[in-house]
Amino acid sequence: DGGITQSPKYLFRKEGQNVTLSCEQNLNHDAMYWYRQDPGQGLRLIYYSQIVNDFQKGDIAEGYSVSREKKESFPLTVTSAQKNPTAFYLCASSPERGYAQYFGPGTRLTVT
Amino acid sequence: QKEVEQNSGPLSVPEGAIASLNCTYSDRGSQSFFWYRQYSGKSPELIMFIYSNGDKEDGRFTAQLNKASQYVSLLIRDSQPSDSATYLCAVSITGNQFYFGTGTSLTVIP
Repeated sequence: DGGITQSPKYLFRKEGQNVTLSCEQNLNHDAMYWYRQDPGQGLRLIYYSQIVNDFQKGDIAEGYSVSREKKESFPLTVTSAQKNPTAFYLCASSPERGYAQYFGPGTRLTVT
Repeated sequence: QKEVEQNSGPLSVPEGAIASLNCTYSDRGSQSFFWYRQYSGKSPELIMFIYSNGDKEDGRFTAQLNKASQYVSLLIRDSQPSDSATYLCAVSITGNQFYFGTGTSLTVIP
């Protein structure tokens, strides 16, 4: 059963703590993406990766970091430097960049 | 100017009517066009894509593309309350850039 998984679904952290969000895909897609969505807002691109061991900053990369050590996995770390980390985080993948993107179920992060 | 523009709505239609959602894009090099549906609290789901001028039908959904006028639309026939969601337009342009609109909220009234 192919798809994209994100875990956990809900995540709560105290301010000042780093937190890592998981994203795994078994679609054999080369490209993977992280987006942030705030209530009533559109999608904002944080980072994307087109191949293993390579990734690029998106529009709002400050305070975030990623790695792409395996084709299937693209974890996102929200660092303490991110000013407003509370948001809905969405991971997506596509066969190549520019092709249709398919989304995971998302992780809702709350930082207090 | 944003690469992809959508009217945020909300758009309300009665059950059984046709819902028409519109999207304009700025880059004439845009090649592929996508419609996603996002239910409240859920992630976006791809429902349609279109590459060529004209209409593409899939069940109750029809995507329409007019490259000369730089717009793409989504028609939902026989709208159902379960169609109530936010619809995101996305565009792929040369250089493998991919842009999402901010979405149009649709409410189908029983």
